[in-house]
Amino acid sequence: IQMTQSPSSLSASVGDRVTITCRASQTISSYLNWYQQKPGNAPKLLIYAASNLEDGVPSRFSGSGSGTDFTLTISSLQPEDFATYYCQQSYSPPRTFGQGTRLEIK
Amino acid sequence: QVQLQQWGAGLLKPSETLSLTCAVDGGSFSGFYWTWVRQSPGKGLEWIGDIKESGVTNYNPSLKSRVTISVDRSKTHFSLKLTSVTAADTSVYYCARDSPAHKFGAFDIWGQGTLVTVSS
Repeated sequence: IQMTQSPSSLSASVGDRVTITCRASQTISSYLNWYQQKPGNAPKLLIYAASNLEDGVPSRFSGSGSGTDFTLTISSLQPEDFATYYCQQSYSPPRTFGQGTRLEIK
Repeated sequence: QVQLQQWGAGLLKPSETLSLTCAVDGGSFSGFYWTWVRQSPGKGLEWIGDIKESGVTNYNPSLKSRVTISVDRSKTHFSLKLTSVTAADTSVYYCARDSPAHKFGAFDIWGQGTLVTVSS
């Protein structure tokens, strides 16, 4: 299953609302997860099963979608949110990731 | 608080075997899939494969002929072996916990990562 994220990169300012999209090449129900990765660190789980917030993740992060189209929204960007974001399907092996969206400071 | 601590050789020559181990500290081994993921420099994430407590494995077809994931008898460590490495296998390798029952297969715990460089 191929996962395609858009955009590949994004410039935004603190306080902005940002949306990242992820499209699967076939239906994956709600088996879609979002991760945040900062340079030199392992990815960190943000959202699982399309819309469930991982423990400890700020509520400004939210996810939606089902089937083939999904979104990650950050309601009000904070300085610590500038990172790369990946979607990942866990519907069937091989697990596959999107190519990533790099979120940069404008 | 579950932690994954990984280790292994960081510099290999072409044709050698990559060997990494990941220790599960502070949590149960049961009910989860134990996973390896890699990330080439400046690139995205690639799932290598996983193993259940029972020893049943799933591998990425792109690597299946060269990969073995195993779990030790004490069920506290799991390992990755990748044979016949080339420069294309140079990556940061991560172990991770796949939580199928509670988090729909999301990788909720990650190791710190090990940079493996293949160079002659």
